[in-house]
Amino acid sequence: AQKITQTQPGMFVQEKEAVTLDCTYDTSDQSYGLFWYKQPSSGEMIFLIYQGSYDEQNATEGRYSLNFQKARKSANLVISASQLGDSAMYFCAMREGWSRGGKLIFGQGTELSVKP
Amino acid sequence: NAGVTQTPKFRVLKTGQSMTLLCAQDMNHEYMYWYRQDPGMGLRLIHYSVGEGTTAKGEVPDGYNVSRLKKQNFLLGLESAAPSQTSVYFCASREAGSSYNEQFFGPGTRLTVL
Repeated sequence: AQKITQTQPGMFVQEKEAVTLDCTYDTSDQSYGLFWYKQPSSGEMIFLIYQGSYDEQNATEGRYSLNFQKARKSANLVISASQLGDSAMYFCAMREGWSRGGKLIFGQGTELSVKP
Repeated sequence: NAGVTQTPKFRVLKTGQSMTLLCAQDMNHEYMYWYRQDPGMGLRLIHYSVGEGTTAKGEVPDGYNVSRLKKQNFLLGLESAAPSQTSVYFCASREAGSSYNEQFFGPGTRLTVL
């Protein structure tokens, strides 16, 4: 069965430093997608970055990059130069194959706290 | 362009009462989803729809029903609310086709069942 695991319930990082949030996944599909969402204390879900299973290069979006290691089934989020506004919950999610409606399976999340 | 909107934002119900949550999107998306988020957990899929007039069960469908009579609206119903349904409910939508299309989420509905 498809599964997403985030093993870090909480993380602390000093402002302006880089931080890596871990995500491992399990799927039998050959085609899948991996997403990261940010949920600040206000509650909304904000899309950050996407990696397709066939993409050869790691995805990047501004200060966010995704360290995709297919053989290890990991899709870690790297945030460079952390800012106070990065303090939030971060969720890794996997899109199942198209035959199942492209649904997302979410991990339990990592709460990131950025210290000044 | 409002994106995905949810009505209401907050609601308190007594056990056994019924209610309907409304999700509306103005992006002409084919796919729509209902998730619930419980404290300390990620989102879990309740039901989803891949087009007008179609619905399907997700991971936790028991106690909920849905309807997609119009493409832009996706309704989530609770026929007889239970305290276990206290949660934050998120609606999402996405375009069909490209695998790169992310899901756009509404702001959430916080439901408390007493």
